[in-house]
Amino acid sequence: NAGVTQTPKFQVLKTGQSMTLQCAQDMNHEYMSWYRQDPGMGLRLIHYSVGAGITDQGEVPNGYNVSRSTTEDFPLRLLSAAPSQTSVYFCASSPDRYNEQFFGPGTRLTVL
Amino acid sequence: EDKVVQSPLSLVVHEGDTVTLNCSYEVTNFRSLLWYKQEKKAPTFLFMLTSSGIEKKSGRLSSILDKKELFSILNITATQTGDSAIYLCAVLFSGTYKYIFGTGTRLKVLA
Repeated sequence: NAGVTQTPKFQVLKTGQSMTLQCAQDMNHEYMSWYRQDPGMGLRLIHYSVGAGITDQGEVPNGYNVSRSTTEDFPLRLLSAAPSQTSVYFCASSPDRYNEQFFGPGTRLTVL
Repeated sequence: EDKVVQSPLSLVVHEGDTVTLNCSYEVTNFRSLLWYKQEKKAPTFLFMLTSSGIEKKSGRLSSILDKKELFSILNITATQTGDSAIYLCAVLFSGTYKYIFGTGTRLKVLA
């Protein structure tokens, strides 16, 4: 099992550009989440999904879109990147809402 | 406003020392509290605590939850340099899949 994988590992964007951060898991987990981690802020929930076709907003959803067409994949889209979105992004999954989350290795995004 | 507060923010100890990390919370609809260890990359799971007063142990690490006073502690005994990491506390809300994380405690263990 590869667990939770994320691509790319690093990305540099210019303000206004769009991109998609990829997240995939091969553990057949229903629940998946996206977090951003900033210095001094801890992990903050962006969006989450409780199954294919079902997504909901977290604490800091503005500027990000998600979709969940399959159980395995949960991409995060930045529609028009801003410097405030410079951060490390983590994807996580869990088999249900009562168990721990497994995290991917993260994507370090810089927006100039 | 829901919040999770960890203390201290950072800590430097020597190998062999015992450390206690604190996590307090104020949330509506509490279900569980989780501890994670984050070294260079992804957080890795340590403990999940749901019931008050029951200690969870794994080797030199242990943790306990007090639901009346709304806090948890993570103890590490006989620390080693490999324990150097950021320790994150998170609260899972009941009935949802939402977590709130604390800002973490950065632990450095010197040889």
